Amino acid sequence: DAGVIQSPRHEVTEMGQEVTLRCKPISGHNSLFWYRQTMMRGLELLIYFNNNVPIDDSGMPEDRFSAKMPNASFSTLKIQPSEPRDSAVYFCASRHTPGPSYEQYFGPGTRLTVT
Amino acid sequence: SQQGEEDPQALSIQEGENATMNCSYKTSINNLQWYRQNSGRGLVHLILIRSNEREKHSGRLRVTLDTSKKSSSLLITASRAADTASYFCARGQTGANNLFFGTGTRLTVIP
Repeated sequence: DAGVIQSPRHEVTEMGQEVTLRCKPISGHNSLFWYRQTMMRGLELLIYFNNNVPIDDSGMPEDRFSAKMPNASFSTLKIQPSEPRDSAVYFCASRHTPGPSYEQYFGPGTRLTVT
Repeated sequence: SQQGEEDPQALSIQEGENATMNCSYKTSINNLQWYRQNSGRGLVHLILIRSNEREKHSGRLRVTLDTSKKSSSLLITASRAADTASYFCARGQTGANNLFFGTGTRLTVIP
C-alpha cells in the first residue's frame, strides 16, 4: 500500500488566498484525521471523520477552516481566506476501525506558508 | 489540558547509551501509544500499551505504564544515531477514535 497520500507537499501563498489541502487515506481505512503542527502549539487535532461523516470538528480554529470527505478515498481541508498565522505543517492520518489496532497512519504532511 | 506531557523536552545522549522519555496525562485512558517523527516527516507508530498492561517490549523499545500515577515511559536501549527524532506519546480513550498527543521529546543521539 502507498500509505496516506497528501498533496501538495509544500504550499506558499499570499494572505487572503484560498488554500486547499488534499488527502487520500489508506484503502480500507474508515477513519480520517486532520492535524496541524506548529512549534508553538505542537500537534493539534482539527477534525476527524468516521465513514466519511465529520465526528468532531471542535479543533477547527475558526470559520475560515472547512473540511470535507466526499468519499472514502478523498478528503480536503480548505482555508479561506488564509492568514500568516495559518502557517504550519498539516497532517492527515487514517485508521481502520473497528479493529484490534488503534494506531493511526500519518501522511508526510503539507507545509503551508502564508506570507 | 487533555494532552499528555513529555519529559524532558529535549534529550541528548551518546550513541550506545539508553534514552528514557516520560509521558504524563490527566484523564483515564484505554491505551497509550508512542510515535516517532523524523524531521520533516509524518509520525510513525512505534508501540501501543493498553491500560491493563504494565510493560511491553518491541525490539530495542520498552514501554511501561503506571495508571495509578497516570504516567508512561519509553526506553530506547543501545541508541543509534538513526534514533534521532522527536517522540510523542498519545492517549486513546474507550469508544473514541481520536488521540490526544503530547508535546514531544526531541532526542539527539550523538555518533
